[in-house]
Amino acid sequence: KNQVEQSPQSLIILEGKNCTLQCNYTVSPFSNLRWYKQDTGRGPVSLTIMTFSENTKSNGRYTATLDADTKQSSLHITASQLSDSASYICVVSRYGQNFVFGPGTRLSVLP
Amino acid sequence: DAGVTQSPTHLIKTRGQQVTLRCSPKSGHDTVSWYQQALGQGPQFIFQYYEEEERQRGNFPDRFSGHQFPNYSSELNVNALLLGDSALYLCASSSLGAGRGLFFGSGTQLSVL
Repeated sequence: KNQVEQSPQSLIILEGKNCTLQCNYTVSPFSNLRWYKQDTGRGPVSLTIMTFSENTKSNGRYTATLDADTKQSSLHITASQLSDSASYICVVSRYGQNFVFGPGTRLSVLP
Repeated sequence: DAGVTQSPTHLIKTRGQQVTLRCSPKSGHDTVSWYQQALGQGPQFIFQYYEEEERQRGNFPDRFSGHQFPNYSSELNVNALLLGDSALYLCASSSLGAGRGLFFGSGTQLSVL
């Protein structure tokens, strides 16, 4: 069954600290994996996209990794800011424009 | 290069009414997908349109219907609204040729009273 799991479900950290979010998937055939940031009441915004051959992709303070063998991805946030408070969603694409969503991780950054 | 645009941004309806939401895809994209997102939940797939036809459908009742126009824009229609239909409705566009994932609009917040 094509599934995407994310952990933790929610996370609270202090401003300036680092954190890592996890995404495990069983989607096949795999096309690409994208991390989205979603502010409350807004549409998700893409942070990174990774294909099978890419291990690491950075976007400012966000760094995503992908291990296609173990079917795991992580999103590392460095030097967190209050504006990082949001939900982070992992979406895995199958060939043929079939997208499988993870449930998201709710991150709260406190001053 | 315009991104995905949705209208309206907010909408208030009463039970039993009908609603139409609109979406224009990102330039160069030919596929539109619709999602329902309840507060605190992840997006739930409603359906996907490509070449003016519904290609894939999630677990939603027939009260939810859609349409895609020749210019690739799309509408989502919901009939006989229920309180439980209150949610953020997201439109996302993609292209088989681009093959690089989904781009989302800002969503339409629907409140059913």
